[in-house]
Amino acid sequence: NAGVTQTPKFRVLKTGQSMTLLCAQDMNHEYMYWYRQDPGMGLRLIHYSVGEGTTAKGEVPDGYNVSRLKKQNFLLGLESAAPSQTSVYFCASSSQTRTGELFFGEGSRLTVL
Amino acid sequence: AQSVTQLDSQVPVFEEAPVELRCNYSSSVSVYLFWYVQYPNQGLQLLLKYLSGSTLVESINGFEAEFNKSQTSFHLRKPSVHISDTAEYFCAVSDAGATNKLIFGTGTLLAVQP
Repeated sequence: NAGVTQTPKFRVLKTGQSMTLLCAQDMNHEYMYWYRQDPGMGLRLIHYSVGEGTTAKGEVPDGYNVSRLKKQNFLLGLESAAPSQTSVYFCASSSQTRTGELFFGEGSRLTVL
Repeated sequence: AQSVTQLDSQVPVFEEAPVELRCNYSSSVSVYLFWYVQYPNQGLQLLLKYLSGSTLVESINGFEAEFNKSQTSFHLRKPSVHISDTAEYFCAVSDAGATNKLIFGTGTLLAVQP
């Protein structure tokens, strides 16, 4: 029973490089989210999706792109990484029938040098 | 726009003592309120939630929170903490819309000392 799985768990990038974080959930959830967590700032929503083929912007979408080609996967892309994107990224999913109950992955720690 | 304020970034407390973690929210519409807990090097887990009905909600491990509309608060309390309660606690608000997306506070680190 994997739940929400994020890959990779750790990554170091140089400024200007690109990368993709993969989130996979096996609970058949309709909704998926990407948050970033920074010290003293809590979690901030980057992008989210309410279904396959749909995405929407959250609080801090600049510098990120997302795609949800399959219901179980939600990809977060950084086209040109910047040091300000150094953070811990969390993916979460939820069922539309369970109000506010998000299931989180274990996080992906990204460092941009 | 909605927002959540957790004024205490860290709360140190001795084992078996009571604790209160404060949360205030701001919203112009009806809201749902939540507390999530994050243990070291893990993702967040739902601790308890208020959607409607009784303003006092409880978790399975002894925490409780009370929704106070007049004070726009949703403080988390536990009468006697354990070492294992050491974690970061996040208050969150949702606008009762159809997306389930949450706005989180900045978190409070509960540090239980023996």
